Amino acid sequence: EAGVTQFPSHSVIEKGQTVTLRCDPISGHDNLYWYRRVMGKEIKFLLHFVKESKQDESGMPNNRFLAERTGGTYSTLKVQPAELEDSGVYFCASSQGRTSVGETQYFGPGTRLLVL
Amino acid sequence: AQSVTQPDIHITVSEGASLELRCNYSYGATPYLFWYVQSPGQGLQLLLKYFSGDTLVQGIKGFEAEFKRSQSSFNLRKPSVHWSDAAEYFCAVGKNTGGFKTIFGAGTRLFVKA
Repeated sequence: EAGVTQFPSHSVIEKGQTVTLRCDPISGHDNLYWYRRVMGKEIKFLLHFVKESKQDESGMPNNRFLAERTGGTYSTLKVQPAELEDSGVYFCASSQGRTSVGETQYFGPGTRLLVL
Repeated sequence: AQSVTQPDIHITVSEGASLELRCNYSYGATPYLFWYVQSPGQGLQLLLKYFSGDTLVQGIKGFEAEFKRSQSSFNLRKPSVHWSDAAEYFCAVGKNTGGFKTIFGAGTRLFVKA
């Protein structure tokens, strides 16, 4: 069974440009999460989808970030326009969603974003 | 607010030596606790988790962790470290928010010397 995949693995863009990150969760997983690790800091929650609905987007830093999960399968996270402080590693995770508490979240390898 | 503290940014141990990585958490209710490991170029892999029951939890790769409520700690241990254990380790607490999100510590990078 394939794990969580993320694309691209690395992205280098200039300030002001737009970048779109993609996450493919494990097939059949209803829950999809985005996290971000800014250089040297802890990994922080961004948002949580249940199927195609946003369950919790309290961690989204500002309106330059837009996440979608059309059809409840893969998800995209768009940053527009990108700023220097957006540099970091963006992780995606998924879980089945059969229970609401404490499910194992499976993480992807992350997308390393560098904004110059 | 919930938080996780890993006081050691990095630790170096000799191969074959024992290992203990410290983790303290702040959480109002019974916590859901996790340890993850990230090897270079890899995603986060779950080592073990504690939800309830026996406070000594066994995980993969020979790791274990002990939940101590009185100390708000969930330290990770391994009796004999292998060179392949060199990685970054994250302690985390799970929080129910109608969904379930994970709050991570800053991580401890483990170096293993021959």
